[in-house]
Amino acid sequence: EAEVAQSPRYKITEKSQAVAFWCDPISGHATLYWYRQILGQGPELLVQFQDESVVDDSQLPKDRFSAERLKGVDSTLKIQPAELGDSAMYLCASSIDRGGETQYFGPGTRLLVL
Amino acid sequence: TQLLEQSPQFLSIQEGENLTVYCNSSSVFSSLQWYRQEPGEGPVLLVTVVTGGEVKKLKRLTFQFGDARKDSSLHITAAQPGDTGLYLCAGGWGGYNKLIFGAGTRLAVHP
Repeated sequence: EAEVAQSPRYKITEKSQAVAFWCDPISGHATLYWYRQILGQGPELLVQFQDESVVDDSQLPKDRFSAERLKGVDSTLKIQPAELGDSAMYLCASSIDRGGETQYFGPGTRLLVL
Repeated sequence: TQLLEQSPQFLSIQEGENLTVYCNSSSVFSSLQWYRQEPGEGPVLLVTVVTGGEVKKLKRLTFQFGDARKDSSLHITAAQPGDTGLYLCAGGWGGYNKLIFGAGTRLAVHP
């Protein structure tokens, strides 16, 4: 069964350092999402791609976060510089359709900023 | 701002008991989804409901979407330890069906 792949699974970094997360969606899925899930809360959408275009990045802290999906397939989310409050689970999801009614989530990257 | 409130936040029950968790909002959603998430993993979709008043059953789980499409409930019959996890509801809205998640109900079922 096809799955969304994410790496790394765990990342520990010091504040002010740069970190990057990678996501490979299910083959053929046009829509890709990055979510942040703080402990004890539900996931919050950071950015949504339709193919290679950003369609929603209203909750992305653009002063330090960036995301790209250059060829409309895999995607990278970067934080520079990392802050203590960025410690969270970063989840990637994909859906086959624009409507995104069925989103398939990857296992996430758990980030700890010291 | 669309918000989804889930209740209760925590639920600890014995195997065999029934339970209901709720997801409420003052906003109307085009769809409502329920996910289960285990520690250290991503959420897994359980069901999507799109029609007001819709009821869906998945084995021992029954999902209902409110008539006004603002609220939903998840009922589990005869809970089992394997049902333990974080149950998240998510409402879809907007042209790209953006999902707004609740904070979740953490369920523990003890043998």
